[in-house]
Amino acid sequence: QVQVVESGGGVVQPGRSLRLSCAASGFTLTSYGMHWVRQAPGKGLEWVAVIWYDGSNKYYGESVKGRFTISRDTSKNTLYLQMNSLRAEDTAVYYCARASGDSAFDMWGQGTMVTVSS
Amino acid sequence: DIQMTQSPSSLSASVGDRVTITCRASQSISSYLNWYQQKPGKAPKLLIYAASSLQSGVPSRLSGSGSGTDFTLTISSLQPEDFATYYCQQTHSPPLTFGPGTKVEI
Repeated sequence: QVQVVESGGGVVQPGRSLRLSCAASGFTLTSYGMHWVRQAPGKGLEWVAVIWYDGSNKYYGESVKGRFTISRDTSKNTLYLQMNSLRAEDTAVYYCARASGDSAFDMWGQGTMVTVSS
Repeated sequence: DIQMTQSPSSLSASVGDRVTITCRASQSISSYLNWYQQKPGKAPKLLIYAASSLQSGVPSRLSGSGSGTDFTLTISSLQPEDFATYYCQQTHSPPLTFGPGTKVEI
């Protein structure tokens, strides 16, 4: 089955770190650009980061630049988001999404909730 | 950064109505514009890519148009399953950005 499944969310204190995972099945990460998108409770969608299909480039949204790192393990076919120095405003559902050849996000996971609170 | 706006932010409509949602980019994005539908508690779903191409499995009553800075999503005859929030997204250049969303209500 072709899908992506996120994990790793939870409750974390401000200033701490958390790593999210996104396990891909039915396709290989080396063939697609992969993105993280988040959605704060009751709010709209916010793009977080991308890693190109060949891993050659990574880009980040302004609000997470310098704190979050996107990476992947091709042997495990898994995408990651390392989140450091977490803030209350990072509280959101985090989705991983696959980018099609036209760069649209044609596959999304179910999301994993991250709550930053003391 | 490219800013995306949508109008209206919400609308009320009835089954069978024709609905049009507008999306505007702060600078030209050619046709790098996608539309998504999101229902409460669910992940977004791709509807339209490259401004006017219908994603596989999406009903033909949905259509997209536009290029440059101005785009529209049209639902020709609203069905009960179409009540949701719709987002446009530019993939012309990072940081990629979404519009604020348009909630379609009964």
